[in-house]
Amino acid sequence: ETGVTQTPRHLVMGMTNKKSLKCEQHLGHNAMYWYKQSAKKPLELMFVYSLEERVENNSVPSRFSPECPNSSHLFLHLHTLQPEDSALYLCASSPSQGPTDTQYFGPGTRLTVL
Amino acid sequence: GQQVMQIPQYQHVQEGEDFTTYCNSSTTLSNIQWYKQRPGGHPVFLIQLVKSGEVKKQKRLTFQFGEAKKNSSLHITATQTTDVGTYFCAGTNSGYALNFGKGTSLLVTP
Repeated sequence: ETGVTQTPRHLVMGMTNKKSLKCEQHLGHNAMYWYKQSAKKPLELMFVYSLEERVENNSVPSRFSPECPNSSHLFLHLHTLQPEDSALYLCASSPSQGPTDTQYFGPGTRLTVL
Repeated sequence: GQQVMQIPQYQHVQEGEDFTTYCNSSTTLSNIQWYKQRPGGHPVFLIQLVKSGEVKKQKRLTFQFGEAKKNSSLHITATQTTDVGTYFCAGTNSGYALNFGKGTSLLVTP
């Protein structure tokens, strides 16, 4: 148990659906992250939030929309996704956004887009 | 942008053999972190190296950071089946975002 939970753990959706991924951290951290992990690709950083403010958006398509209502919760809203968006989506948190801070990952949401 | 390359991509060893994975960056890193992801699991932090030439050990695992802070390695002595998983290095230079390598998947057969 890393103190970072994600729901749902598995999600299958059609290209016209709208769904949301949820991440919650119980570690008192101030920074939260969304990563995409596809087969044969490195972990791709999608978004970084620090103290509920988005500090990085790595050229992610607008069909992915993050939301950070407070420092403990992070959402990823999905709409009109493509089959190539199928991947493991990992949430992580760290004490701050400093480069030497350890990141604690959640178990991930396995997303399949049909 | 900064890239972190990791080799080999896959490694299959017999239990008891040693294993090494290498991480190389195109730019000087301020620090490097290593993570392990078990099959079906999520990345779990192993260690962080910050100083040039730094060497750290965790039981059978030895981590090194190069003198130029552009490369790093993870060496496992006498692998066990519990070592199975993918090992990722991740580095930062001037920013705060970790750049992950593609990882090395280790398979250990008894």
